Amino acid sequence: GEDVEQSLFLSVREGDSSVINCTYTDSSSTYLYWYKQEPGAGLQLLTYIFSNMDMKQDQRLTVLLNKKDKHLSLRIADTQTGDSAIYFCADMNTNAGKSTFGDGTTLTVKP
Amino acid sequence: DTGVSQDPRHKITKRGQNVTFRCDPISEHNRLYWYRQTLGQGPEFLTYFQNEAQLEKSRLLSNRFSAERPKGSFSTLEIQRTEQGDSAMYLCASSPTGGSSPLHFGNGTRLTVT
Repeated sequence: GEDVEQSLFLSVREGDSSVINCTYTDSSSTYLYWYKQEPGAGLQLLTYIFSNMDMKQDQRLTVLLNKKDKHLSLRIADTQTGDSAIYFCADMNTNAGKSTFGDGTTLTVKP
Repeated sequence: DTGVSQDPRHKITKRGQNVTFRCDPISEHNRLYWYRQTLGQGPEFLTYFQNEAQLEKSRLLSNRFSAERPKGSFSTLEIQRTEQGDSAMYLCASSPTGGSSPLHFGNGTRLTVT
């Protein structure tokens, strides 16, 4: 079945850039998403990219997609302590109508 | 847009009891999803509806689980004869059909089975 993989932990210093990586297996993925989850809360959509794009920038967030390698990354510029959270990568297969999520990357930002 | 609302936020129940959770999606969204999340893992797909039709059900969903969306608006997820392994966060999400269709999540119902 479909699979989405992420590294589990990332620690950075405040002001540095963070890069969170993700790989997926479903070649029929139409969209790829990044969600953020804070303790005790649901998932909040951060950004997404259409599968025929290779880059999308949205303020401090940059998404890079290598469709050939099925590799997605999220770069957060000027990382702040408020960015500490769990970040989930997900795909969307519009034929199947559902998203598959990775297990999340816990980002810790040290002052 | 009042967001996706789930009720209750927390439920503690004894093993063997039945529980029911409710989800109210964003009103103009015709797709509604149920996911389950355990500690340290990402959300796992359980089932989804397009309007009132249940279009897919995961093999994770045993016959003790049933979901309904009778009028294509709110949905309920019932777990019968709960087991300790059912303890998890149950997340509901909704989305419009078409376009980028990102999922909009509620804050979840945390179930603890003792």
